[in-house]
Parts: sequence; structure tokens; C-alpha cells
Amino acid sequence: NAGVTQTPKFRVLKTGQSMTLLCAQDMNHEYMYWYRQDPGMGLRLIHYSVGEGTTAKGEVPDGYNVSRLKKQNFLLGLESAAPSQTSVYFCASSFPRTAYGYTFGSGTRLTVV
Amino acid sequence: DQQVKQNSPSLSVQEGRISILNCDYTNSMFDYFLWYKKYPAEGPTFLISISSIKDKNEDGRFTVFLNKSAKHLSLHIVPSQPGDSAVYFCAASASNAGKSTFGDGTTLTVKP
Repeated sequence: NAGVTQTPKFRVLKTGQSMTLLCAQDMNHEYMYWYRQDPGMGLRLIHYSVGEGTTAKGEVPDGYNVSRLKKQNFLLGLESAAPSQTSVYFCASSFPRTAYGYTFGSGTRLTVV
Repeated sequence: DQQVKQNSPSLSVQEGRISILNCDYTNSMFDYFLWYKKYPAEGPTFLISISSIKDKNEDGRFTVFLNKSAKHLSLHIVPSQPGDSAVYFCAASASNAGKSTFGDGTTLTVKP
């Protein structure tokens, strides 16, 4: 079982460049999330989706856009990368029951120079 | 305003002893609480959860205790093993369907 797969695993961007992070899950989960983790800090929610075709803002949505065109995929876009977006990005998915927890991907380490 | 706080950045215990990781929250609307474990260069892994209608939940060596009046929860690991060495995140959710707010994590080191 693949679970949650994130691509790419590493990326270096120049300020102002754009990119898309891809998250794919094969567990038929309804909900999907994008979090970022900065050094010494917890995970902060960027955007999330409660079903195909839906998206919602999280705690730190500025500078990011998302799309959920297919149930199994959740894309995170950076239109104009800034050094403040240097972080590790985690995608997660879950059933619509909090008690079961999330399944996380292994992360994408993004550096913006 | 951090709604979920893990005030101890690190904890070191001897193999075989009990590890107690603590978490405090401020939002009274939280009604589900979860613990995750994270190894370096990996994503977090779900460990155990508890709903606000309970005060204790056990799963093998892991037990979570919830004190609603104090807005405090703790994760007990008994006995601790070297493989338990990881970062532990506390998380909370305001409903049984959706997004969670995470603490900053506690790094647990279990010494052989």
C-alpha cells in the first residue's frame, strides 16, 4: 500500500518562481490537507479539502493555492515563491472521523533562495 | 495565540521507565485530541486519540489521559523503548470531522 505519496521530495526554487506540489492518496479518503512545518515548530494548516471539488483556507493560506479535481489528488501551488515559504510541506488525508487520525506523506523539503 | 501547547521541547528517559508527554490547550471547542509520532525525514504517524467524553484511552504501551477542567492531556508510554525516540506531536480538533491544530512537538529520547 502506497498510502500518501508526495512529489517531489526536494526542490530548490528561486524567489518569484512558481511550482506545484502533488499529493496522491490511494485509501479512498474524503479529506485531504496541506501543512507546513518550520524548524522547532509544529505543523500549521495551509489549506484543506473535505471532498472532490472543494477547498478551504487553513491557518496560513497566503501565497498558496490548491485544487482537488480528483478525489485522490490534492495539489498545492506557489505562484510566486518567497524565502518565507522555505519549509517542509506535509500532505495528509483522512476519513471524515477525527478519531482515526491522519495518514501523512513523507514530506517535501522546499528551499526558496 | 497558540491554541495547543507542548511546553517541554525535549524529554529524556531510561529504557524500561515511563515516559510522560504533556499538552495543554486553550480552545474549549476542541473535543478530539490526538497524538502523533514523527521520525526524522518521515511524515508523522498517528498513535492514539481520545474524545472529550472520555478521560482515558489505552492502546498497548500507550495511554492518553484527558483532564477537561484543566484543559490538559498527557501521553504515557510504558515501558519506554529506544525505538520510541522521536518527536511527539499533540493535536486537537473542534469536531469529529476535519482539521486539527498541532502543538510544537516534544522530542523524546529513550536511553538504553
